[in-house]
Amino acid sequence: EVQLLESGGGLVQPGGSLRLSCAASGFTISSYPMSWVRQAPGKGLEWVSGISTNNGNTYYADSVEGRFTISRDNSKNTLYLQMNSLRAEDTAVYYCAKEKEGATWNYFDYWGQGTLVTVSS
Amino acid sequence: SYELTQPLSVSVALGQTARITCGRNNIGSKNVHWYQHKPGQAPVLVICRDSNRPSGIPERFSGSNSGNTATLTISRAQAGDEADYYCQVWDSYTARVFGGGTKLTVL
Repeated sequence: EVQLLESGGGLVQPGGSLRLSCAASGFTISSYPMSWVRQAPGKGLEWVSGISTNNGNTYYADSVEGRFTISRDNSKNTLYLQMNSLRAEDTAVYYCAKEKEGATWNYFDYWGQGTLVTVSS
Repeated sequence: SYELTQPLSVSVALGQTARITCGRNNIGSKNVHWYQHKPGQAPVLVICRDSNRPSGIPERFSGSNSGNTATLTISRAQAGDEADYYCQVWDSYTARVFGGGTKLTVL
């Protein structure tokens, strides 16, 4: 059974840093693209960052480019999101999601329960 | 990438059919995926690649995509179907785009 468990959320001041973790079980994360998706209070889903399989290429939404870094530890089967220079608008529930990909499509077939990040002074 | 337009809310009577739309110019040329999201829970994939149901999703959920509109159809609506529904397309590696979401209310 595929399971994704996020951790690391919390309250942080503007300009601060936080690292989110996503422990995966039931599959090997290095064999699938993985992403982080967030939902700000009262808002919809927003894709934040993704990492590909073989070459480990990383991708970011414009809103977080240069501030966030996605990575994975294959030995721990865990996905990470390092978040620096945090802003109030980064406040959201952050979900990790497993992807399924084809030649011209990707979708998120499994999601975690999410971890809340609050950026406030 | 271009936005995906969804109605903010849709209401349906218990047991009737709900239709949630997702609009964009020539969206029919894309693969559209749909997610159900209940408060405090993980989102769930209910339709992938326009019209395919993942294992465990009831046959009451179906999808279509043509022209400028993709549609999620929920037949024989139940109280448990109340949720936010999001459409999604993949435009590029840096643009996995979600619609704004539609709140489904079952009356």
